[in-house]
Amino acid sequence: DAGITQSPRHKVTETGTPVTLRCHQTENHRYMYWYRQDPGHGLRLIHYSYGVKDTDKGEVSDGYSVSRSKTEDFLLTLESATSSQTSVYFCAISESDNTDTQYFGPGTRLTVL
Amino acid sequence: GQNIDQPTEMTATEGAIVQINCTYQTSGFNGLFWYQQHAGEAPTFLSYNVLDGLEEKGRFSSFLSRSKGYSYLLLKELQMKDSASYLCAVTDSNYQLIWGAGTKLIIKP
Repeated sequence: DAGITQSPRHKVTETGTPVTLRCHQTENHRYMYWYRQDPGHGLRLIHYSYGVKDTDKGEVSDGYSVSRSKTEDFLLTLESATSSQTSVYFCAISESDNTDTQYFGPGTRLTVL
Repeated sequence: GQNIDQPTEMTATEGAIVQINCTYQTSGFNGLFWYQQHAGEAPTFLSYNVLDGLEEKGRFSSFLSRSKGYSYLLLKELQMKDSASYLCAVTDSNYQLIWGAGTKLIIKP
């Protein structure tokens, strides 16, 4: 299995508070992704990174920001959490672009009250 | 717009064969993936098709017809552990990966 960890695995927070989720990989893969998964929806891309300090928006990026200062770490920040951001968040990595297999972390279950 | 359609839920019997269909309408095509996701877990890679035809991998096979915008995942000799959701995803001509909502497969003894 690809070495991908996410922290925290579970978090409950209140509306309006900032939240940061961390994804850490030991595979030295160039691409990293943040998705959210909600019932009835497919995986929806929030942001992705194609290298250190190189990031771009996905289809549901509003309310989220990311940073990648090292190859192995990709951080997702909710600046001011809202109840609509209650979801399961998955990090994924791949060696190259979207023609390549993505390997997923175990997920973070976030609840915003 | 871009769209991937999969049945929401399917039920099959242990030991039988099941076919999960995926149809897509995307801006071009650069490959199709199938992933398996057990409840409460992360998706894991099953197969990748970029050319027409059938790719076989043990009990699982995946078929692609680019002209029809159609793929299926065939699972043989079903086992209880195959109960999971199966996600279809397509890479379009802009190298965006479009995900289907997934098919929940329930296996009954």
